[in-house]
Amino acid sequence: DAGVTQSPTHLIKTRGQQVTLRCSPKSGHDTVSWYQQALGQGPQFIFQYYEEEERQRGNFPDRFSGHQFPNYSSELNVNALLLGDSALYLCASSSGTGGFEQYFGPGTRLTVT
Amino acid sequence: GDSVTQMEGPVTLSEEAFLTINCTYTATGYPSLFWYVQYPGEGLQLLLKATKADDKGSNKGFEATYRKETTSFHLEKGSVQVSDSAVYFCALSGFMNRDDKIIFGKGTRLHILP
Repeated sequence: DAGVTQSPTHLIKTRGQQVTLRCSPKSGHDTVSWYQQALGQGPQFIFQYYEEEERQRGNFPDRFSGHQFPNYSSELNVNALLLGDSALYLCASSSGTGGFEQYFGPGTRLTVT
Repeated sequence: GDSVTQMEGPVTLSEEAFLTINCTYTATGYPSLFWYVQYPGEGLQLLLKATKADDKGSNKGFEATYRKETTSFHLEKGSVQVSDSAVYFCALSGFMNRDDKIIFGKGTRLHILP
C-alpha cells in the first residue's frame, strides 16, 4: 500500500515565477492538507481540500492556491514567488474512516532564488 | 488560539543518556497530542500519540504522558542512541472532525554523541 507521495522532490525557481507541487494521498484517503515548513520552524497549515473544494485555510496570502482532482490527488500552486517562499512543502492525507489522522508525505523542497 | 510550546534546542547528549524534551500546549476542548520526528532530509513521521488525559503514548523506547492538569506532553527516553539524532516536533489536533488541522511547535533538534 503506497503512502502519501509528492513530486517533485526538489525544485529551484526564480523570484516572480509560478510553481506547482503535486500530492497523491494514501490509498483510501479523500482529504488532503498542505503545510509549509520554513527552515528551522515547525510546519504551518496552508489549506485543506475535500470533495474538490478548499475547506479551510491558514494565514497564507492568495498567491497560494490549490486544487483537488476527482481521484483525490491535489496540487499546490504558488504565484509571484518570493524569497520567503523557500521551504519544505508537506502534504498530508486523511479520511473519516481513519479518524481523520493525517499521514505525511516526504515533502517538496522549494528554493526561490 | 491553540498553540504548542516546546523547549528550544539544540539538545546535545551522549549515547545512553536520559532524554527529556518539554512540551506544553494551549487549547480549547480536548485535543489529541502528538510527537513527530523528522530525520535529516526527510518528511515527518508520527512517533507517538495520546488522545485523552492520562494516556501514555509510546514507541521505539520513547514515551509521553498527556497531562491535562499541567497542559503538558513531555517526551522521554531512558537511553538514547546516535540514531535518535533528529528534529522532534510536539503537536496537537482535535481530530474530531475533518476540518481539524495540526498545530506544531517549532521543533527541538537533538544531537546524540557516540
